[in-house]
Amino acid sequence: DQQVKQNSPSLSVQEGRISILNCDYTNSMFDYFLWYKKYPAEGPTFLISISSIKDKNEDGRFTVFLNKSAKHLSLHIVPSQPGDSAVYFCAGWSGGSNYKLTFGKGTLLTVNP
Amino acid sequence: DSGVTQTPKHLITATGQRVTLRCSPRSGDLSVYWYQQSLDQGLQFLIQYYNGEERAKGNILERFSAQQFPDLHSELNLSSLELGDSALYFCASSVLGAGGAYQETQYFGPGTRLLVL
Repeated sequence: DQQVKQNSPSLSVQEGRISILNCDYTNSMFDYFLWYKKYPAEGPTFLISISSIKDKNEDGRFTVFLNKSAKHLSLHIVPSQPGDSAVYFCAGWSGGSNYKLTFGKGTLLTVNP
Repeated sequence: DSGVTQTPKHLITATGQRVTLRCSPRSGDLSVYWYQQSLDQGLQFLIQYYNGEERAKGNILERFSAQQFPDLHSELNLSSLELGDSALYFCASSVLGAGGAYQETQYFGPGTRLLVL
């Protein structure tokens, strides 16, 4: 079974510090990963992605790191801002004949002023 | 605003009933995806339609069905509803979502909250 796991349900950081959100996946069928952010009463919005052929992708304050040998990826937000407070979902695309996008359960990030 | 619209925003119904959720994708997007988010769960992929044809299937129950119409809007039909079907149902769309473009970014609607009593 292909799974994407976010083992920390919540994370609290101070404004201006680094936020690190973690995600693990179960097998090598995943070849592309995305992070989505979700505010209450809204749908998820795309944040950043990374292909399995890369180990890092950066977009402004957001950087995603991929460690294929450990089947682990992380999202770094530097510096964290109160507006970053939201639920963050990690998702992975698995290819093959029945490709699909598998989401983790999400991590609630709270950035305190 | 992602450009994806979903109606209704909220729906309350009884067990055994049937409901239809509607989704209009972003202008020009050919693929529509349906997801279910239950309490404390991540988003579960249900089904994808590409230009009117079923393209990929996830954990969709036999009591659920979907279709995509020629104007590219989509409907998700949920029948013989059970208490456990209470969830947020999201629709997403992407430009292609087929062939080599399956890794495209998906744009999500605001969701329909279904409560089965």
